[in-house]
Amino acid sequence: KAGVTQTPRYLIKTRGQQVTLSCSPISGHRSVSWYQQTPGQGLQFLFEYFSETQRNKGNFPGRFSGRQFSNSRSEMNVSTLELGDSALYLCASSLALAGASDTQYFGPGTRLTVL
Amino acid sequence: AQKVTQAQTEISVVEKEDVTLDCVYETRDTTYYLFWYKQPPSGELVFLIRRNSFDEQNEISGRYSWNFQKSTSSFNFTITASQVVDSAVYFCALSEQGGSEKLVFGKGTKLTVNP
Repeated sequence: KAGVTQTPRYLIKTRGQQVTLSCSPISGHRSVSWYQQTPGQGLQFLFEYFSETQRNKGNFPGRFSGRQFSNSRSEMNVSTLELGDSALYLCASSLALAGASDTQYFGPGTRLTVL
Repeated sequence: AQKVTQAQTEISVVEKEDVTLDCVYETRDTTYYLFWYKQPPSGELVFLIRRNSFDEQNEISGRYSWNFQKSTSSFNFTITASQVVDSAVYFCALSEQGGSEKLVFGKGTKLTVNP
């Protein structure tokens, strides 16, 4: 079974631009979560999507948004990029059986650099 | 509020030594889940173990073992006879039951195994 895939793997943008990152979950997984990893703040939860609905959201500004499609694939968007948005963005998927915190499996990440 | 503390920022050992990575967590929930992930230099988080709050049995998987103690809110990870390939950053994470897959991560422990 294929793992979680993320595209692109590397991205360079300039301040003020916007960016869209894509994540394809493991087949059959219904939940997709996004995390931001930086040297200073570590791994921080951005949001989680389940059945095309945002189920939980971390403490990030509204410039960070996401969506999930009917095939469970997910995208996240960051508008008006700032230098501090430079980070590794990790996507994770899980079966999300009702009432349980299932194991999340992570993709390789997208390395975003904002100049 | 949920919190995970990994007090050891970096550990360096010589091959074949045993090493224990500490993890202390905080949660108000009685039902929760604990995880360990490994992040090699490639960046992808690799799942190692998931444990629920009602299962305090220690677990062993090859050279890896985990000690879960609710009395001290700790979930420590031991690598026996370490190898160079064990060099990575190891993260402990916590998830509370409640219809979301959100993970709260510790800051990670960087393990370097020298030949």
